[in-house]
Amino acid sequence: DAGVIQSPRHEVTEMGQEVTLRCKPISGHNSLFWYRQTMMRGLELLIYFNNNVPIDDSGMPEDRFSAKMPNASFSTLKIQPSEPRDSAVYFCASSLRGARSPLHFGNGTRLTVT
Amino acid sequence: GENVEQHPSTLSVQEGDSAVIKCTYSDSASNYFPWYKQELGKRPQLIIDIRSNVGEKKDQRIAVTLNKTAKHFSLHITETQPEDSAVYFCAASWVQGGSEKLVFGKGTKLTVNP
Repeated sequence: DAGVIQSPRHEVTEMGQEVTLRCKPISGHNSLFWYRQTMMRGLELLIYFNNNVPIDDSGMPEDRFSAKMPNASFSTLKIQPSEPRDSAVYFCASSLRGARSPLHFGNGTRLTVT
Repeated sequence: GENVEQHPSTLSVQEGDSAVIKCTYSDSASNYFPWYKQELGKRPQLIIDIRSNVGEKKDQRIAVTLNKTAKHFSLHITETQPEDSAVYFCAASWVQGGSEKLVFGKGTKLTVNP
């Protein structure tokens, strides 16, 4: 199993540009999570999908952030327009059954917005 | 909502000593408590977890204890080795309004000195 695959590994963009982060969960996992990690705020849940349906998006900072999961093997997190305060490492994770089973994290996308 | 407090934020021990990291949670409905290890520049990885129907779980040099009455759980690492140096995160999970939640503590940076 290749694990959770995220792309790109690094993204540097200018303020105001659109950023799209991608994630392929582990096959057979029915839950997918997007987390943001910063030194100040730690690991923050942005959104959580169960069977491709968004269950909890209360952590999405504002309307600039959106996430989709069109099928069981792909999800995107989009930021439009991006701002310097969005700079962070964004992790995607998947699990067999929701938040009460082990999360398998991808290697993350380090986003820098200048 | 749930709040997970983790202490200490940094911990330095000599190789061979034991390390203990403690977490408290606020919601008595929490019933799943995983611990993740994150090495520098890497993704978080599950090292051990415990459910609320169990008081203690051990896996080689690591163990987790849970006190539901006091609402705290701890990670114990014995015979520490330099490769144990990493940031450790605790988390608590519960069900709220049909949605599963998982909240992470802020992390403990463990340094094992040779």
